Order: sequence, then structure tokens, then C-alpha cells
Amino acid sequence: DAGVTQSPTHLIKTRGQHVTLRCSPISGHKSVSWYQQVLGQGPQFIFQYYEKEERGRGNFPDRFSARQFPNYSSELNVNALLLGDSALYLCASSGSMPLTTNEKLFFGSGTQLSVL
Amino acid sequence: AQTVTQSQPEMSVQEAETVTLSCTYDTSESNYYLFWYKQPPSRQMILVIRQEAYKQQNATENRFSVNFQKAAKSFSLKISDSQLGDTAMYFCAFLGLQGAQKLVFGQGTRLTINP
Repeated sequence: DAGVTQSPTHLIKTRGQHVTLRCSPISGHKSVSWYQQVLGQGPQFIFQYYEKEERGRGNFPDRFSARQFPNYSSELNVNALLLGDSALYLCASSGSMPLTTNEKLFFGSGTQLSVL
Repeated sequence: AQTVTQSQPEMSVQEAETVTLSCTYDTSESNYYLFWYKQPPSRQMILVIRQEAYKQQNATENRFSVNFQKAAKSFSLKISDSQLGDTAMYFCAFLGLQGAQKLVFGQGTRLTINP
């Protein structure tokens, strides 16, 4: 079975532009979460979607938005890019909410976004 | 709000030695999960081990084990017989079971295994 897949793997944008990152969860998983990892730091929670509804939002500005589609894939959108948005964006999926005993959160390989 | 603190930014040991990474956390919740994730240079986040707060027994996975002290809010990772492939960033993470499924990560410990 395929793991969590994210696209693209790398992206270069300039300040003020808009970007869309995509995530496909593991087959059967209904929860998708997004994290931002700035170099040298731990990941920070951005959003969680479960059954196509937003279930949580981290401390990020309104320039960040996301959605989940009927097939449970997800998009993260960032408008008016700033230099500080340069980071690795990670997607994680799981089957249930809350996480059950012995269930795992699986991460994708991430999208490296560079804002120039 | 929950916080996770890893007080060791970097550690270095010789191959085959045992190393312990520290992690403390703060929460008012009584039931939660704790994780250690490994992030090699590829930056893929790999689950090393997990612990449910309601379980008194410490989790073990082959060469990896934890020392979970719930009252002290401490969750350390012990790596036995360390291998060169263990070289990576290690993140401690907390997952509460109330509200959003939100992992709270520490700042990480860069572990280097020397030959």
C-alpha cells in the first residue's frame, strides 16, 4: 500500500505569490493534519481535517487555509507568501479521531517551500 | 496549552554505546499519548516508539525503550547498542485526546553516532 504522498517535493516561489500543497492520505485514512517545520525547529501544527471538516487550527494567520476533499485528500493554501513561510510542510494521516490504541500517525516526506 | 521541552540540543556517542535522550512536558490532561520521532537528513518523520499515558509499563521496541514518569511529566528515550543509522534528529511529541488531533513537538535533539 502507498504511504502518505505529498506533492510537489520542492517548490520555489517569490514573496507575495500564492502556493498550493497537496497531500494524499493512506487508503482508508480519514484524518489529515498539516505541520510547518522551519529549519532547526520542531514541526508546528497548522490544521487538522477529519471527515472533510476542520477539527483544529494552529496559531497561523488567515493567509493559511486548507480543505479536504471527498476522497480525503487535502490541500494547503498559502496566500501572500512571506520569506518566513520558507519551511518544510508535512502532512500526516490517521484512520480515526481520536487516535486509538496501537494506531499510528503516518507522515509524508514533505514539501520543501522556499520563498525568495 | 501543552508544551514539550527537550533540553539537549545535541548529543554524540560512540557506536554500540547506550544513549538517553530527555524530554519533559506540561499538560493538564490525564489521558494522552507520547511519541518519539526520528528525522534523518531525508527529513522523513519516522515513528520510533509510542506510550499511552494510562499504561504504567514502559514501551519498548527492539533497541529502543522509554522511561515514562507520569507524575514528573518526564519521557526519556534510551537507545541501546547504538548504530550509525541511528544518527538523526529526534523529536519528542505529545498528543492530547481532547479536541483536535494535534501533535506538540519539542525542539529536537541532534544525535550523532560515531564509528
